[in-house]
Amino acid sequence: AQSVTQLDSHVSVSEGTPVLLRCNYSSSYSPSLFWYVQHPNKGLQLLLKYTSAATLVKGINGFEAEFKKSETSFHLTKPSAHMSDAAEYFCVVSALDNDYKLSFGAGTTVTVRA
Amino acid sequence: KAGVTQTPRYLIKTRGQQVTLSCSPISGHRSVSWYQQTPGQGLQFLFEYFSETQRNKGNFPGRFSGRQFSNSRSEMNVSTLELGDSALYLCASSQGDRQTQYFGPGTRLLVL
Repeated sequence: AQSVTQLDSHVSVSEGTPVLLRCNYSSSYSPSLFWYVQHPNKGLQLLLKYTSAATLVKGINGFEAEFKKSETSFHLTKPSAHMSDAAEYFCVVSALDNDYKLSFGAGTTVTVRA
Repeated sequence: KAGVTQTPRYLIKTRGQQVTLSCSPISGHRSVSWYQQTPGQGLQFLFEYFSETQRNKGNFPGRFSGRQFSNSRSEMNVSTLELGDSALYLCASSQGDRQTQYFGPGTRLLVL
């Protein structure tokens, strides 16, 4: 069965320091993987996606993620956090074993300290 | 290109009433999906429409229904509202099968 686990419900970082958001997935088929960000009272914005091309995926606003099949992981990183990165982040998987419906992780709330 | 739009943005209803939410996809997108977001359950898939046909359905009761029009705009309806239906309802559109979904700002429904 398809599933997504975000390993941290809350991450707090200082402005200018690296951000790491961890995501593990489970799927019987080759998945497409996404990271979305949701700012307060807003919809979800696509940060980046993996669809079986390059394993290191670059997204918007300096974010990138690496697909590691052996570890079934798709962790999101950013070298230097900005105050505007404070938001909730969702790791999402889509694959044949769930009819390509999106399955969402529980979300990671990022707090950025000045 | 304009993004996904949802109307209304906020709604307050009372138990037992019904509600209709609207979603206009990005121009050229033929697939529209609906999601419910609550603090307790997170983001859950409601249903997907493609070319006016429901293609996929999540695990929600029959009180939740939807439809899609020939211009790809979609509506979802919730009948006999319950307190637990209070949520942010998100609509997402994509160009088609297995394509990236782009989300609207959501409609926040409060049931009293």
